[in-house]
Amino acid sequence: GENVEQHPSTLSVQEGDSAVIKCTYSDSASNYFPWYKQELGKGPQLIIDIRSNVGEKKDQRIAVTLNKTAKHFSLHITETQPEDSAVYFCAGGEGMRFGAGTRLTVKP
Amino acid sequence: DTGVSQDPRHKITKRGQNVTFRCDPISEHNRLYWYRQTLGQGPEFLTYFQNEAQLEKSRLLSDRFSAERPKGSFSTLEIQRTEQGDSAMYLCASSPIQGLSYNEQFFGPGTRLTVL
Repeated sequence: GENVEQHPSTLSVQEGDSAVIKCTYSDSASNYFPWYKQELGKGPQLIIDIRSNVGEKKDQRIAVTLNKTAKHFSLHITETQPEDSAVYFCAGGEGMRFGAGTRLTVKP
Repeated sequence: DTGVSQDPRHKITKRGQNVTFRCDPISEHNRLYWYRQTLGQGPEFLTYFQNEAQLEKSRLLSDRFSAERPKGSFSTLEIQRTEQGDSAMYLCASSPIQGLSYNEQFFGPGTRLTVL
């Protein structure tokens, strides 16, 4: 089955800096790659996704890039704010195989 | 609120008891997914339905776990003879299968199970 590896497990940045989280996947047939944000006591919330027919997608301060040849995709958050602090998950396997998560802390 | 709802939000039970959780998906969503999430880990896929058909159940953790979606609307997840290792957050999600947002999963708030 699909394996999804996510790095780093924790990330601390200063407010205003950028944050990058990377995931690799094993199934070359995967076509859908979402990113989720999970706050304490809540279910994951989709923040951005990308399908295999594009290499990059942006939504305001958030972007996702996909390299199908290398089988990795990344989440980029620019101009980070304290409210970006949360756990972020990537997923492969048509969105059903999750990485282990990255705890992002944005220091004011 | 038209999001995914789960009931109960918290469940405390004694080892050996059976528990059942309910999920109500977004009304126009055909697919419904169940996940388990333990502390510090990502959601672990258990099973999913498309309408009333259960399309994958091989990842249910043991034969003590079963799920149903009899009318293609709400779903239930049952755990029989609970064990302490079943303590976790059980998440439900739903998604459409057509249109630009197909495969996008919308998660409920989860049911936190504690087995004493």
